[in-house]
Amino acid sequence: AQSVTQPDIHITVSEGASLELRCNYSYGATPYLFWYVQSPGQGLQLLLKYFSGDTLVQGIKGFEAEFKRSQSSFNLRKPSVHWSDAAEYFCLYNFNKFYFGSGTKLNVKP
Amino acid sequence: DAGVIQSPRHEVTEMGQEVTLRCKPISGHNSLFWYRQTMMRGLELLIYFNNNVPIDDSGMPEDRFSAKMPNASFSTLKIQPSEPRDSAVYFCASSLTFGQGGEKLFFGSGTQLSVL
Repeated sequence: AQSVTQPDIHITVSEGASLELRCNYSYGATPYLFWYVQSPGQGLQLLLKYFSGDTLVQGIKGFEAEFKRSQSSFNLRKPSVHWSDAAEYFCLYNFNKFYFGSGTKLNVKP
Repeated sequence: DAGVIQSPRHEVTEMGQEVTLRCKPISGHNSLFWYRQTMMRGLELLIYFNNNVPIDDSGMPEDRFSAKMPNASFSTLKIQPSEPRDSAVYFCASSLTFGQGGEKLFFGSGTQLSVL
């Protein structure tokens, strides 16, 4: 069955440090992949998406993600985290249905 | 350009009461989704519509839940009677099309429901 796995439930990083949030999917074909961010009390906002082509995609707020077919991964990265990045991050893929990961909550230490 | 609009933002009700949540999708979007978010279960898809027609309601937890989409610009999610375990944040989302892959989901701000 298709699924999306975000293995890290909580992550804490210091402000200014680099960040990588993991996402793995299980599906044979190349899916359409997204990362969304949910700030406290807010809906989900699209950060970036991958459909095809260049496997490194750039998103808003300085985020990027790299699609690696061999690892079935679509990890989200940011070189330098800001305190305002504290939120919950969801990986999502779409192929006939939308499949959400369980989310990773990011805390940012001052 | 208005996004997905949900109302109310917060709803507090007593067990046994009827609750109606409302959603206005982005104009021109043909697909609408209702999600429920809880700490225990994360984001769950309850039901989705395509061109106002319910396509998959397998996520609706039980008969107390019902959803309608009488036209392209309005949908409701009704819980009758409500129970404390229904307390959650309910999100509505819309997308331009569905089933072709690659559609972006646009989310509303959610309705925080508390059933006492």
